[in-house]
Amino acid sequence: ETGVTQSPTHLIKTRGQQVTLRCSSQSGHNTVSWYQQALGQGPQFIFQYYREEENGRGNFPPRFSGLQFPNYSSELNVNALELDDSALYLCASSGGGVAAGANEQFFGPGTRLTVL
Amino acid sequence: GEDVEQSLFLSVREGDSSVINCTYTDSSSTYLYWYKQEPGAGLQLLTYIFSNMDMKQDQRLTVLLNKKDKHLSLRIADTQTGDSAIYFCAENPGGYNKLIFGAGTRLAVHP
Repeated sequence: ETGVTQSPTHLIKTRGQQVTLRCSSQSGHNTVSWYQQALGQGPQFIFQYYREEENGRGNFPPRFSGLQFPNYSSELNVNALELDDSALYLCASSGGGVAAGANEQFFGPGTRLTVL
Repeated sequence: GEDVEQSLFLSVREGDSSVINCTYTDSSSTYLYWYKQEPGAGLQLLTYIFSNMDMKQDQRLTVLLNKKDKHLSLRIADTQTGDSAIYFCAENPGGYNKLIFGAGTRLAVHP
């Protein structure tokens, strides 16, 4: 158990809808990263939040957006859902933002999103 | 560029050693990581190695790093059925921020 929690566990949406996924970071961690893991592939970096500011973004369109709250929990929002957005969405928390030691990232169990 | 490659599948007998290999491309990565994913679960950090090290041992796990060839391996001694999972190698280009993962190696342990 990493202490990182995500909700919901599973979600089914239809094309064009919007979705919000939630993540609570491990106690004492101020950085949350979001990853998308399509079936049979490794996780792909979406973006990272450090102290409520976006701190780096991967190759994802603007319809993927996020927030981090003062308690360091985070949300991932996806607008105008497409079939290819079906994946496991993972959040990871880490302790120090930029270049903090080994930048160990601890993952939650993920949210499985299915887009029909 | 940023790319991590792994072989997709490895089958070993219980009690034998497993060696999972990985190649990466970004020489600016400060740390390299090994994660384990069991079915339906998130990723569990197994171990990591600093890029200035050649080897790191942690109980049954041994990580070898050849920085010149950008080659990383994970050796699991005395492999058990509970080790059956997908193993991901990851680098962190620029030394922080995002992790770049390989596609994962599925380890199957049979009696």
